Amino acid sequence: NAGVTQTPKFQVLKTGQSMTLQCAQDMNHNSMYWYRQDPGMGLRLIYYSASEGTTDKGEVPNGYNVSRLNKREFSLRLESAAPSQTSVYFCASPHPGTGPFRETQYFGPGTRLLVL
Amino acid sequence: SQKIEQNSEALNIQEGKTATLTCNYTNYSPAYLQWYRQDPGRGPVFLLLIRENEKEKRKERLKVTFDTTLKQSLFHITASQPADSATYLCALVGAGNNRKLIWGLGTSLAVNP
Repeated sequence: NAGVTQTPKFQVLKTGQSMTLQCAQDMNHNSMYWYRQDPGMGLRLIYYSASEGTTDKGEVPNGYNVSRLNKREFSLRLESAAPSQTSVYFCASPHPGTGPFRETQYFGPGTRLLVL
Repeated sequence: SQKIEQNSEALNIQEGKTATLTCNYTNYSPAYLQWYRQDPGRGPVFLLLIRENEKEKRKERLKVTFDTTLKQSLFHITASQPADSATYLCALVGAGNNRKLIWGLGTSLAVNP
């Protein structure tokens, strides 16, 4: 039971290049989230998927697209990378259910992206 | 606007002492407050959750308090160990349909042997 996994761990892109960050969870959770973490800005939500087949914008969606491929997988795509997208990207999956732990997040190990 | 503030200065303490980290918030009425630990190069890991109507929550050497009047949560690590060195994040969850999670920037803790 690996929880949340992400690939790649590290990537260097040139401005204008595209790439897809992959995320998978084996916890059978319905929801999956993509965050970026930057110094001085904290964790910011990019996109989330409340269930298979649905996606919604978060706080900072511009420049990104997502695909909820199936219940396990949620990918984040940068169509034309910009230096401002240099960041650490985390995929997370909230605890299922309706109680207070509903928003407890299980995070993946992160992808460190450098855009030159 | 909604805002969360955590100690921006790193906290350095001696092994065995109690570490106390602060999370203050403004313009928000959270239903729950969560604390996470983040090690360098890793994703945050959930530690504790406290509800708005709870004053205190404990888990082993960890203790969290929540004062909705002061709009503040304190996170304590008693008998601290070098292995407790990490960044600690607080996050607020809104009430009712406002389940939006708001994150603090985190406080770096270093426990010196």
